[in-house]
Amino acid sequence: QVNLQESGPGLVKPSETLSLTCTVSGASISDFFWSWVRRSPGKGLEWIGYIYHSGNTKYNPSLKGRATMSVDTSRNQMSLRLTAVTAADTAVYYCARAECSGYLWCFDTWGQGTRVTVSS
Amino acid sequence: EIVLTQSPATLSLSPGESATLSCRASQSISSFLAWYLQKPGQAPRLLIYDASTRATGTPDRFSGSGSGTDFTLTISSLEPEDFAVYYCQQRSSWPITFGGGTTVEIK
Repeated sequence: QVNLQESGPGLVKPSETLSLTCTVSGASISDFFWSWVRRSPGKGLEWIGYIYHSGNTKYNPSLKGRATMSVDTSRNQMSLRLTAVTAADTAVYYCARAECSGYLWCFDTWGQGTRVTVSS
Repeated sequence: EIVLTQSPATLSLSPGESATLSCRASQSISSFLAWYLQKPGQAPRLLIYDASTRATGTPDRFSGSGSGTDFTLTISSLEPEDFAVYYCQQRSSWPITFGGGTTVEIK
């Protein structure tokens, strides 16, 4: 059974950098594509980007180049950095496996999510 | 960017009733649509992918249909655990997008 667990600070100051980590267990991070998705208060879900262990990445243009994802295969972890955060980045952030039954870009396994608040 | 519009925003029903949720895409996405269920404080859970294929563990009271721009998720007989928010998601083109959600609440 694949499990994902997000971790990171729950409070980030405006203009600073948000850094989150997702630890994968039950599967090798090298075998799949992975994504970050967030849910802002009162809003729906927003896809942030995907990463493959080779370094192949793609990001949502809505983030205007502020997002960077990376993979640490030795720790079976992936990370998200989001720079120059504002209150609009306040959300619950989820990591997810970006595959379902061999098809890409649907999300069959999710972490429980980590709440991040941007406030001074 | 493909915009997914879900309707209605809220559906008030009783256990045992059937539910019909709609998702409309701003342009054709073939059958590249998935449905998720999310309960408060929990992560989304994949129910349906490729418009009509149930994910592992999805009860057969959930069925998906549609192609092109119009899609439907039907729940044949609502169980207490089905009252939640439902999202659709397209994987036809970048960026991946989700609908705004439909809340199925107990009447």
